[in-house]
Amino acid sequence: GDSVTQMEGPVTLSEEAFLTINCTYTATGYPSLFWYVQYPGEGLQLLLKATKADDKGSNKGFEATYRKETTSFHLEKGSVQVSDSAVYFCALSDTNTGNQFYFGTGTSLTVIP
Amino acid sequence: EPEVTQTPSHQVTQMGQEVILRCVPISNHLYFYWYRQILGQKVEFLVSFYNNEISEKSEIFDDQFSVERPDGSNFTLKIRSTKLEDSAMYFCASRPQTVQSNEKLFFGSGTQLSVL
Repeated sequence: GDSVTQMEGPVTLSEEAFLTINCTYTATGYPSLFWYVQYPGEGLQLLLKATKADDKGSNKGFEATYRKETTSFHLEKGSVQVSDSAVYFCALSDTNTGNQFYFGTGTSLTVIP
Repeated sequence: EPEVTQTPSHQVTQMGQEVILRCVPISNHLYFYWYRQILGQKVEFLVSFYNNEISEKSEIFDDQFSVERPDGSNFTLKIRSTKLEDSAMYFCASRPQTVQSNEKLFFGSGTQLSVL
């Protein structure tokens, strides 16, 4: 079945450091891939998405490239800020299971000044 | 941006008691979902709801669970007799009319359920 495996956390970085959060997936169809973010006390918000192989999703300085050959969708940011502190969830939605999203465990990121 | 609203934010209950978690989806959305996340584990799909009926449910969604859209705005999840292992963060989500795999879900902020 479909699944998402996400890098274990928590992750603590200094401001302006480079961020990578790894995500790999298994899917039976042609999935769309997403990164959601949850700030403290808030719901999950879409950060970025990619709908087909080699697409790059980007938003707020974050990027992720849909790599079919490695079944990966790693999240990156060149210079993190304190305000990026949140929990990040990798997710997929598959053409074969259009009603469902499959999520990873979430990675908690803390950025210290 | 419009929001999905969930109440309460925290719910504490005794084992065996019934709980109702409430959600107000975005008004023009037609697909509704409940997910949960047990601490340290994945966000798990429970159930999806469309046109006043369940469209999909997971193995987790057994006879102890039910969903309802009682008045056209609220979307509730009921657990009839809570167990310790039901302790989790429960997320409500909704989706617009189109159902395509690249259409995002809009999530509420969650209800943290603690069963003692």
